[in-house]
Amino acid sequence: SQTIHQWPATLVQPVGSPLSLECTVEGTSNPNLYWYRQAAGRGLQLLFYSVGIGQISSEVPQNLSASRPQDRQFILSSKKLLLSDSGFYLCAWSAFLAKNIQYFGAGTRLSVL
Amino acid sequence: SQQGEEDPQALSIQEGENATMNCSYKTSINNLQWYRQNSGRGLVHLILIRSNEREKHSGRLRVTLDTSKKSSSLLITASRAADTASYFCGLRRLSINGGSNYKLTFGKGTLLTVNP
Repeated sequence: SQTIHQWPATLVQPVGSPLSLECTVEGTSNPNLYWYRQAAGRGLQLLFYSVGIGQISSEVPQNLSASRPQDRQFILSSKKLLLSDSGFYLCAWSAFLAKNIQYFGAGTRLSVL
Repeated sequence: SQQGEEDPQALSIQEGENATMNCSYKTSINNLQWYRQNSGRGLVHLILIRSNEREKHSGRLRVTLDTSKKSSSLLITASRAADTASYFCGLRRLSINGGSNYKLTFGKGTLLTVNP
């Protein structure tokens, strides 16, 4: 069966520090991969998605970047965190099929202080 | 809005009652999906309804879709305290150029509280 791993679960970082959040998927090949951010009490904002290795689409210009160095690995990064980067970050995957049902990781709570 | 908008923002009911939440949107869709999110956790897919379907059932869940009104409703029957969560609708829009559309757009969700 397919599983998605996202870590860390919680992260507290100072303003100006770098960020690296990792997401890996097991049990499937060539998944579509997604990074979302959810502000407190708000909906999900799609940040990046990827349909293949090295293929990254950015939805919102911001202080973040994403990379997909391997088929089932998706990394969210920042060189210098801002206070506004705080939030709940969710990774998700979907199979390369028509229905596009998405399966989410457990999320990373990022607090930038 | 290109995203779904859930209504109400919050709903509080007693155990055993039915809960109805709605999703409205403005774009043409390929399908509409409902997800559940427990506090501090990831979203979990509940049910998908295609644009050519009007009603779907899954256990205690009933989803309707009215594409003429661009709205969907999620009904949870005989609610339980464990149903307490936020519920989101996710829209898979039709691609303008006919190509694949890999994205879902989500609304802000409805926070459902089921009191024991």
